[in-house]
Amino acid sequence: DTEVTQTPKHLVMGMTNKKSLKCEQHMGHRAMYWYKQKAKKPPELMFVYSYEKLSINESVPSRFSPECPNSSLLNLHLHALQPEDSALYLCASSHPGTVNEKLFFGSGTQLSVL
Amino acid sequence: AQKVTQAQTEISVVEKEDVTLDCVYETRDTTYYLFWYKQPPSGELVFLIRRNSFDEQNEISGRYSWNFQKSTSSFNFTITASQVVDSAVYFCALISGGGADGLTFGKGTHLIIQP
Repeated sequence: DTEVTQTPKHLVMGMTNKKSLKCEQHMGHRAMYWYKQKAKKPPELMFVYSYEKLSINESVPSRFSPECPNSSLLNLHLHALQPEDSALYLCASSHPGTVNEKLFFGSGTQLSVL
Repeated sequence: AQKVTQAQTEISVVEKEDVTLDCVYETRDTTYYLFWYKQPPSGELVFLIRRNSFDEQNEISGRYSWNFQKSTSSFNFTITASQVVDSAVYFCALISGGGADGLTFGKGTHLIIQP
């Protein structure tokens, strides 16, 4: 199994809603990542978890709250988002601590904030 | 600091033509890895190749080939006999140092293959 599974594939939410994005992998990877990708732009790193601990937070607003409940799951909790947060949110995983490992990406959640 | 530059924003060719996507990178680290990813309209980033900084051998995989030149800090990607299914956005990316910062992506090249 070389898949990273993300749910939901599409999400529409209002600015007062609370929602969560989910990511799952069963490749034994102990590093998991959240990237944000705006239309026609490259992915931008948001968070990195290494061995279930948050190791990188790229100055992301607190309305985005990541959670790594175990080595296979990664969540991104969303609250009070703004329309400019509409984007494709990509999850990825890899073996941590080794530069040469490629990242496996999920197909993303397309988020629209109204 | 590291940086990846893909100067070609969009390329359009007719099916069966060869096409080269350019990638130029900057890093102060001596150990680094370069990647190419394909992003079709479905959104998933599909891994194509990884090349480490100590291996300048060019690589060919079917219709795909990659030319890595440290002297010019370039890692170009050529598709031979392009097909409509090759239409996608292609990203060149770099990871260096301990790798904890994830990938640094170029802005991407949108490749359009016309039938």
